[in-house]
Amino acid sequence: EVQLLESGGGLVQPGGSLRLSCAASGFTFTSYDMSWVRQAPGKGLEWVSGISGSGATTYYADSVKGRFTISRDNSKNMLYLQMNSLRAEDTAVYYCAKDLGGGWYIFDYWGQGTLVTVSS
Amino acid sequence: EIVLTQSPATLSLSPGERATLSCRASQSVSSYLAWYQQKPGQAPRLLIYDASNRATGIPARFSGSGSGTDFTLTISSLEPEDFAIYYCQQRRNWPLTFGGGTKVEIK
Repeated sequence: EVQLLESGGGLVQPGGSLRLSCAASGFTFTSYDMSWVRQAPGKGLEWVSGISGSGATTYYADSVKGRFTISRDNSKNMLYLQMNSLRAEDTAVYYCAKDLGGGWYIFDYWGQGTLVTVSS
Repeated sequence: EIVLTQSPATLSLSPGERATLSCRASQSVSSYLAWYQQKPGQAPRLLIYDASNRATGIPARFSGSGSGTDFTLTISSLEPEDFAIYYCQQRRNWPLTFGGGTKVEIK
């Protein structure tokens, strides 16, 4: 059974940093691209970042480029999102999501999400 | 960036009725469009990918159609568990984008 478990969310001041983690199980982690997708309170979905199975290729939304860094540790089946220079508009539930396959960026499994609140 | 516009914003229907949801892209996404369902307090669930392919375990009452810029998600006969918010997502171009969502509510 595929499981994705996010952690690391919390309250952080504007300008601060936070590192999100996603523990994956139930599938061959290295074979699949992974993404982070966020959802501001009461709002829609926004794709944030993606990473290839090997970790060699990364993609970012313009809204986070230069501030967020996606990475993965395939030996530990872990996905990460390092978030720096946080802004109020980064407040959201952050989901990690598994690619359906082939680097298609279709998300067939999602974690339960972790809430990041940026506020003073 | 490809903008996806979903309509209507809210659809008020009764169980057993047919639901037709629209997603329009600001430029062609070919058939690279997916649909997700989200219920309150839950993560999204993949329903349809590449315009018309049902994801694993998705009931046959859900169907998708369209190509280019105009897409439709149809729920042939609403079940009580289908009342939720539905999002479309394109993967034709970076950055990946989602539509603003259509809420299907009980009339």
